[in-house]
Amino acid sequence: QVQLQESGPGLVKPSETLSLTCTVSGGSISSYYWSWIRQPPGKGLEWIGYIYYSGSTKYNPSLKSRVTISVDTSRNQFSLKLTSVTAADAAVYYCASYSLVAVSYYGMDVWGQGTTVAVSS
Amino acid sequence: DIQMTQSPSSLSASVGDRVTITCRASQSISSYLNWYQQKPGKAPKLLIYAASSLQSGVPSRFSGSGSETDFTLTISSLQPEDFAAYYCQQSHSTPLTFGGGTKVEIK
Repeated sequence: QVQLQESGPGLVKPSETLSLTCTVSGGSISSYYWSWIRQPPGKGLEWIGYIYYSGSTKYNPSLKSRVTISVDTSRNQFSLKLTSVTAADAAVYYCASYSLVAVSYYGMDVWGQGTTVAVSS
Repeated sequence: DIQMTQSPSSLSASVGDRVTITCRASQSISSYLNWYQQKPGKAPKLLIYAASSLQSGVPSRFSGSGSETDFTLTISSLQPEDFAAYYCQQSHSTPLTFGGGTKVEIK
């Protein structure tokens, strides 16, 4: 059973870079897509982007200029960097697998527990 | 971007009630529609994929229907553990987008 665990600082200063890592256990990262999603306090879900194990990426255009997602297959990890953060980036950040759940259909079927990131000086 | 609009944003219901949540896409997405359940303080959980297919382990009281632009999530008989927020998400194209959510509360 694949499990995901986010890690990284819970507090980031304004204008600095948010960096999070998601560790995949119980399975190999060398399949499907690996996503980052965030949820501001009391609000809905926002897809940030995903990476294929080969390294190809897709990002949300609303964040594209500030986001980088990378993968380290040797460590079974993928990572998120978000630059120039502001208070609007404070949220719970989730990593999730975006898997082929049926022929031609993908879904986020495994999620990490989420990590809260605050933005404050 | 494909916009996903859910309604209602919240509802109050009693145990045993039949509950229906709707999701509308701003353009046709065929059946590329997923539903998630999120309980307070927890990560979302995939309930339904491909508009109407039940994810493994999800109780059969949950069902999904629809295609193209209009979709429905139905809970046939609401149970205490079903009080949660529900989100639709389109997997037709990037950027992947979610509906605004529907909070199901106890009446």
